Amino acid sequence: DAGVTQSPTHLIKTRGQQVTLRCSPKSGHDTVSWYQQALGQGPQFIFQYYEEEERQRGNFPDRFSGHQFPNYSSELNVNALLLGDSALYLCASSRGTGQGYEQYFGPGTRLTVT
Amino acid sequence: AQTVTQSQPEMSVQEAETVTLSCTYDTSENNYYLFWYKQPPSRQMILVIRQEAYKQQNATENRFSVNFQKAAKSFSLKISDSQLGDTAMYFCAFMKRRDDKIIFGKGTRLHILP
Repeated sequence: DAGVTQSPTHLIKTRGQQVTLRCSPKSGHDTVSWYQQALGQGPQFIFQYYEEEERQRGNFPDRFSGHQFPNYSSELNVNALLLGDSALYLCASSRGTGQGYEQYFGPGTRLTVT
Repeated sequence: AQTVTQSQPEMSVQEAETVTLSCTYDTSENNYYLFWYKQPPSRQMILVIRQEAYKQQNATENRFSVNFQKAAKSFSLKISDSQLGDTAMYFCAFMKRRDDKIIFGKGTRLHILP
């Protein structure tokens, strides 16, 4: 049973560029949430996707956007990268909405902005 | 708004000893979940233990147990017979019932010494 997978494992971008991160949920899960974890901090909720729509959003600017595909996989896009966007980006999946107590996390994508 | 506070940035204990990690939270909600997550150097966020606020009985999972004090809004984690593999960052977290957004504390870095 495959768990949550994320790609790439890590990447380096330059300020002002755009980046796309990918997440495949655990088998049987249809809801994907994204978190940003800055160095030395706890993860912060970015947004959640269910039925290909953004259902909840945390306190992040519009530069952060996402998408969910019919196979439930998801992408996180960040435009106009800032140095402060350097972080570990975690994806978590669950079955349906309101079931966050059963969220499973992926290994994350480490983004470095130079 | 909900907040989670972990007042111990870093702790060290000898292998086989018992250690307690502290956590306090603030919320006006009555129905919610509390979690302890472990994040080893591999970065994978792993659920250690979960407590439902309406359950008075403290949750236990093998060597891990919690002391949940709802009135005091306190939620500590006790690790008994600590092992080298317990070395990791530990995050206390909160989630409203029927929600998917998890709010994390800043974490406690735990070192188990041989």
